[in-house]
Amino acid sequence: GDSVTQMEGPVTLSEEAFLTINCTYTATGYPSLFWYVQYPGEGLQLLLKATKADDKGSNKGFEATYRKETTSFHLEKGSVQVSDSAVYFCASTNSGYSTLTFGKGTMLLVSP
Amino acid sequence: DTAVSQTPKYLVTQMGNDKSIKCEQNLGHDTMYWYKQDSKKFLKIMFSYNNKELIINETVPNRFSPKSPDKAHLNLHINSLELGDSAVYFCASSQSQPNSPLHFGNGTRLTVT
Repeated sequence: GDSVTQMEGPVTLSEEAFLTINCTYTATGYPSLFWYVQYPGEGLQLLLKATKADDKGSNKGFEATYRKETTSFHLEKGSVQVSDSAVYFCASTNSGYSTLTFGKGTMLLVSP
Repeated sequence: DTAVSQTPKYLVTQMGNDKSIKCEQNLGHDTMYWYKQDSKKFLKIMFSYNNKELIINETVPNRFSPKSPDKAHLNLHINSLELGDSAVYFCASSQSQPNSPLHFGNGTRLTVT
């Protein structure tokens, strides 16, 4: 079945550091890929998405590029802020009912 | 506000009790979901309803029974609660088109003592 693997956390960075959170997927066909963010005490929010190979999703300074050749969708941000501290989930869907397969989540902690 | 709202936010109860969690969305979506998030933040889908019909029913004990009275509501009833049911339960909704993102509620933290 489909699966999503993302790097274990926590990832601990200082403010203004460069962020990469790795994500790889296995799926039949051509899934759509998503990054969701969960701030403390809240539900998940869509951060960005890409629906086909070589698409780049971007939002709030975060970017991820759909790489079919490496089956990856790594999340990057050039300069993190304390307010980016959250849990980040990579997800894929290959279903008409948008059923998402989530990775295990990566906690990001940014210190001033 | 347009949103997915679920109640209660916190639920503390004893083993063996029966409890319900309610979810409502006013986004006009036709598909709703229940996810369970464990203490390690791992998210697992439990159920999905499209236009009030059950379309996904993962391997979940039959003590868990979802009910969708209409497209905008999906409630979760849990019988004979067990310690292992302690988790955060998230309701979500989406349109049924491919690639439609999910919109999540803020979760219900269930603690079974």
